[in-house]
Amino acid sequence: EPEVTQTPSHQVTQMGQEVILRCVPISNHLYFYWYRQILGQKVEFLVSFYNNEISEKSEIFDDQFSVERPDGSNFTLKIRSTKLEDSAMYFCATPGGTTTYGYTFGSGTRLTVV
Amino acid sequence: GQSLEQPSEVTAVEGAIVQINCTYQTSGFYGLSWYQQHDGGAPTFLSYNALDGLEETGRFSSFLSRSDSYGYLLLQELQMKDSASYFCAVRESQAGTALIFGKGTTLSVSS
Repeated sequence: EPEVTQTPSHQVTQMGQEVILRCVPISNHLYFYWYRQILGQKVEFLVSFYNNEISEKSEIFDDQFSVERPDGSNFTLKIRSTKLEDSAMYFCATPGGTTTYGYTFGSGTRLTVV
Repeated sequence: GQSLEQPSEVTAVEGAIVQINCTYQTSGFYGLSWYQQHDGGAPTFLSYNALDGLEETGRFSSFLSRSDSYGYLLLQELQMKDSASYFCAVRESQAGTALIFGKGTTLSVSS
């Protein structure tokens, strides 16, 4: 059973549309992160979420993006008015899991904006 | 600014030993991690060094020298399944905050 579950695994959307990516992190963990990876490039930090609040965000995480915890277990990343350059893999992650010092990443959502 | 430098590609044969270096320049430092990523997959945690020295986990070892802002990942007894991308990543602060990743090293293992 995966520790961090993401849905959908792949989403295709038209430019200008809104998308919502979902993640169910390791149970009872307060820290939660979203990262993205453009094809062939490095993993980039977007935002960290602690105790139901954004604790840190990168320059990438502009007004187009938002994160929410709509219920006790799910986290969402919303991208408003998607652009072609938003096409990437989006990973959620939490500290811990089977790793003492590392982060456990979800399997990712591949977002394709056309 | 922040930067983590690592070689873009490394090739080796099965059974060999390979070392992937990482030099970093970040505003803070609370540890160097290594992650493995197979094509299209999630990054998977391999190792973490907060203090100088060598950490060994099976066939993989990781080394850190904070004074040199340098670390490496050592992979021994290479297997075909080790073909993947390897990323070094720095945690810049103590509290559970963002990881800054390097651009990754693509390791190709041939028979």
